[in-house]
Amino acid sequence: GAVVSQHPSRVICKSGTSVKIECRSLDFQATTMFWYRQFPKQSLMLMATSNEGSKATYEQGVEKDKFLINHASLTLSTLTVTSAHPEDSSFYICSARPTGGLLYNEQFFGPGTRLTVL
Amino acid sequence: KQEVTQIPAALSVPEGENLVLNCSFTDSAIYNLQWFRQDPGKGLTSLLLIQSSQREQTSGRLNASLDKSSGRSTLYIAASQPGDSATYLCAVRRDNQGGKLIFGQGTELSVKP
Repeated sequence: GAVVSQHPSRVICKSGTSVKIECRSLDFQATTMFWYRQFPKQSLMLMATSNEGSKATYEQGVEKDKFLINHASLTLSTLTVTSAHPEDSSFYICSARPTGGLLYNEQFFGPGTRLTVL
Repeated sequence: KQEVTQIPAALSVPEGENLVLNCSFTDSAIYNLQWFRQDPGKGLTSLLLIQSSQREQTSGRLNASLDKSSGRSTLYIAASQPGDSATYLCAVRRDNQGGKLIFGQGTELSVKP
């Protein structure tokens, strides 16, 4: 149980295009999901907290107009990188926190999406 | 501002050795601490979660301890195996609101056959 999927796993796009990444909780509901970014050999940096039915909360320094987050249901959050540039190339990982139950204290992570912007 | 530090950044050991990974955090007011494993190019797998009121958690060959007052946690791996090779990350959660995790930089472990 507590499986999180991401799609796509890998994407290559041209500079200036937009890319959407999906994060799904497969066997539980998640009111809250989190989006992280990870550069090579570095740790995860929280970008934003996504709450179902409301606006996302962005961390300091993260451009909300560039990284659009939509959490339309209790099992799906999407991150859209708008007008992507090479410096946006990174590994994007989402996590989901169960809405209730014994696992409420934990976050479950997706397998990540490798974005390469040419 | 909470900062999480992991030492060492990289570790290489022969198969069979017992080893300890260290994690320290600057603000002792945490809700819980979690250890994760990350394989190259993959997401995170939760290994152990320690609530702030707990001292340790065990799962198989893994044992994690927490000393909140000194801002330290250790992950002990017994009888290491080549399959344990991965990056190990610790993360702290400040409170039960929001659930944000602050991660350390990770320890890259290599277990040689």
